[in-house]
Amino acid sequence: ETGVTQTPRHLVMGMTNKKSLKCEQHLGHNAMYWYKQSAKKPLELMFVYSLEERVENNSVPSRFSPECPNSSHLFLHLHTLQPEDSALYLCASSQVLAGYYEQYFGPGTRLTVT
Amino acid sequence: AQTVTQSQPEMSVQEAETVTLSCTYDTSESDYYLFWYKQPPSRQMILVIRQEAYKQQNATENRFSVNFQKAAKSFSLKISDSQLGDAAMYFCAYRSTDDMRFGAGTRLTVKP
Repeated sequence: ETGVTQTPRHLVMGMTNKKSLKCEQHLGHNAMYWYKQSAKKPLELMFVYSLEERVENNSVPSRFSPECPNSSHLFLHLHTLQPEDSALYLCASSQVLAGYYEQYFGPGTRLTVT
Repeated sequence: AQTVTQSQPEMSVQEAETVTLSCTYDTSESDYYLFWYKQPPSRQMILVIRQEAYKQQNATENRFSVNFQKAAKSFSLKISDSQLGDAAMYFCAYRSTDDMRFGAGTRLTVKP
């Protein structure tokens, strides 16, 4: 595997389900990100982990719960989601150097909440 | 809050022609980075080009170049000799020490 991988690629879940999205980066980076991409809207940064510590949480509802067990893995735990949470969820990673933050993205998980 | 605005939801260009995608941003920072990302249909988002705000010289990557106007807070992307593989969503992005923002994207169609 190379780059940033995400599983599953597609997920359909009911509003009462609990599921998790997984992201893995094979680039040796030390920061990882979760984004939500909805049609015709800017990408929404949800969570940032730098050196395995959460450094940013942009007022995301508590039904989204991130977990970063190590610098290579990132999870997004989902529970009691709403239909408006249906979107493409993108994971990204970067090497946090002095001011340089180019991000490498995964292919995304297409989530549909029914 | 910093915002990134892409005023062109859709653009089209004839193959081999040149197209310019617009982006403006709002910030009070002096040190930041700007990026253009490309997201082909059903494929991963990849970096096209980046610009450091402290550099006056416009970045260039092969057929891709930017027109960075710091005072005007403008960061447009020029694609020369457009190819069918350039068809994608293009996102402008801003990054400072404390913030990362993307625009809503411009869908580029390339006509053969």
